[in-house]
Amino acid sequence: EAQVTQNPRYLITVTGKKLTVTCSQNMNHEYMSWYRQDPGLGLRQIYYSMNVEVTDKGDVPEGYKVSRKEKRNFPLILESPSPNQTSLYFCASSLDRVKETQYFGPGTRLLVL
Amino acid sequence: DAKTTQPNSMESNEEEPVHLPCNHSTISGTDYIHWYRQLPSQGPEYVIHGLTSNVNNRMASLAIAEDRKSSTLILHRATLRDAAVYYCILRSINTNAGKSTFGDGTTLTVKP
Repeated sequence: EAQVTQNPRYLITVTGKKLTVTCSQNMNHEYMSWYRQDPGLGLRQIYYSMNVEVTDKGDVPEGYKVSRKEKRNFPLILESPSPNQTSLYFCASSLDRVKETQYFGPGTRLLVL
Repeated sequence: DAKTTQPNSMESNEEEPVHLPCNHSTISGTDYIHWYRQLPSQGPEYVIHGLTSNVNNRMASLAIAEDRKSSTLILHRATLRDAAVYYCILRSINTNAGKSTFGDGTTLTVKP
């Protein structure tokens, strides 16, 4: 089954404790992206990647890192999480960056205390 | 980045057609218009997309204005399961093309 998976689905952590949210797709998609969703602010793009080893900032990249060492994986790294990074995070992938469908993962709900 | 503007909310009665508008007056010639929807407690899901011509699929129809400055997502017979937030976004091959900006979307309420 074609899908985007994220792990963990729920995470509670404390300020400053590094964490990684994994994202994996099994559709051989070139384009992958991370979004955060907060009440009243809609979906905001954090980082995106147009292919292996090619990543770029979205609209809200501060406090986040990403890597794209393999085509299928696009982990989101929070080196020193802060409470303002408490949010719902979505990973997405698509065959290209323009005309193909984006497939979204189920979301990761993060709480930073 | 080209932006989209949508009404915050709309209501519809069950089994009636729904027309969800989107304005994108700064669209460029190579921008694709995509529609996604997000059901409660789920990730966004693809609905439809197009470039210049009107498009139909099993979920909906997309009507694109001749000047491409606006588009309308048409749900032919709304069901309670269509209650969701609907997002209209533009995807571009121009600079910052990798960016994908979602607006606030339109919250569709379907009344039985």
